[in-house]
Amino acid sequence: QLQLQESGPGLVKPSETLSLTCTVSGGSISSSSYYWGWIRQPPGKGLEWIGSIYYSGSTYYNPSLKSRVTISVDTSKNQFSLKLSSVTAADTAVYYCARHIDVAAPCDYWGQGTLVTVSS
Amino acid sequence: SYVLTQPPSVSVAPGKTARITCGGNNIGSKSVHWYQQKPGQAPVLVIYYDSDRPSGIPERFSGSNSGNTATLTISRVEAGDEADYYCQVWDSSSDHYVVFGGGTKLTVL
Repeated sequence: QLQLQESGPGLVKPSETLSLTCTVSGGSISSSSYYWGWIRQPPGKGLEWIGSIYYSGSTYYNPSLKSRVTISVDTSKNQFSLKLSSVTAADTAVYYCARHIDVAAPCDYWGQGTLVTVSS
Repeated sequence: SYVLTQPPSVSVAPGKTARITCGGNNIGSKSVHWYQQKPGQAPVLVIYYDSDRPSGIPERFSGSNSGNTATLTISRVEAGDEADYYCQVWDSSSDHYVVFGGGTKLTVL
C-alpha cells in the first residue's frame, strides 16, 4: 500500500522560505509515470493546488504561486520537496502531498497533511 | 483563470438524495473529479473522470457533467456522509493548472 508522509518545520518566520518534504513508501517514486503534487488548505478554507512534478522532473505550478514555488524530486531518497519563498501569514495552511497518474488525473493517494504556521 | 463555483452548503435528511453542483465555463468539456473531506482528515477521492467510482466507494455516490455544471449525487444519504466536498478539474485553456472548487459543506439533518 502506497503511503505518503509530509515532514518539515511547523513554524516559519515571515519573509523566510517554507521547506517541506514528502517521503513515499510502499512504492518507488520513479518506477512508474506518476506526478507528485502539493496541495494546501488554510485553516477553515478550501483546497489550493500548489504544483506537481513528474517523476522525471518536469513541473507544473499554480500561476498565482509560480514566482515563489520550487518543487523537486530526489529519486534516490524516494522523496519530493516543496520550497515556498517569501512567506507571509497568508501561507499558513495544512500542506498535503499527493500522487496523480497524469497531470489532469485525480489525486488517488494523499499524505495526512502537516500544518505550517507563518509567524514571528 | 478558470473558476469553479460550488454552493457553500447543502442540507439533506437521512435517506434522501443530495446533489452538489460545480459550475464552470463549459465544464462539460473537462474531466471533473470529486473529493470528500471530513474534519481533520485528508481528502478522499469519491468520483473521478466525471462519473467513475474508485473501489471502496459506495454505489450511492454518482457523478455527471454537462454544459456548465457538474453534479455529485449522493443517494440514500447517511449520517457518515456529512463532510466537505470539493470538485477539481485540470485547466489547459490558458494557464495549465489544477483548479479546485471552493467546497460544499454537506449537512445531514
